[in-house]
Amino acid sequence: EPEVTQTPSHQVTQMGQEVILRCVPISNHLYFYWYRQILGQKVEFLVSFYNNEISEKSEIFDDQFSVERPDGSNFTLKIRSTKLEDSAMYFCASRGTADNYGYTFGSGTRLTVV
Amino acid sequence: QQQVKQSPQSLIVQKGGISIINCAYENTAFDYFPWYQQFPGKGPALLIAIRPDVSEKKEGRFTISFNKSAKQFSLHIMDSQPGDSATYFCAARKKGGSQGNLIFGKGTKLSVKP
Repeated sequence: EPEVTQTPSHQVTQMGQEVILRCVPISNHLYFYWYRQILGQKVEFLVSFYNNEISEKSEIFDDQFSVERPDGSNFTLKIRSTKLEDSAMYFCASRGTADNYGYTFGSGTRLTVV
Repeated sequence: QQQVKQSPQSLIVQKGGISIINCAYENTAFDYFPWYQQFPGKGPALLIAIRPDVSEKKEGRFTISFNKSAKQFSLHIMDSQPGDSATYFCAARKKGGSQGNLIFGKGTKLSVKP
């Protein structure tokens, strides 16, 4: 079964440092998402991406965040200057077509900011 | 802010029993209601989903009941097994959202005792 692959599985970074979280969505999917989950809390939407541009973003996705699809396979989330409160699990998800509501999530990257 | 409210926060069920998790939403701006199962250290995995034009959907031991007028939907797990022990999230997809992000409930931690 096709999977969404995320790397690294765990990242520890110093406060103020930049981090890049990487995702390889399912190959024929068109819609890409980042969500985050602070430990023990609900999964929260960050951003959606379609046709090489951001289509929607939440209040959490401020100027410190950016996304990119640099080639035909990778989808990245960059946090420019990490804060302690950015510590969370970050999940990438992808979806096939407009009428396909089946979102597939990756296993996540646990980001720890110290 | 659009909300999806989920209860209970945790649930303990004996093996073979029925697990019931409830969700309610606050407005009619949703058009797709999935349930996700999450094991520790893993991403959410789609379990079953329903559209609002259907009142019930069954897949194996899992059933979604949907009450449009009450703005409520629930997950029933029949013949619950220890392997069902996980955190369950209900979610709702925004109707007409540019590329359809999901809004999640806070999750229910289910423990099935042997």
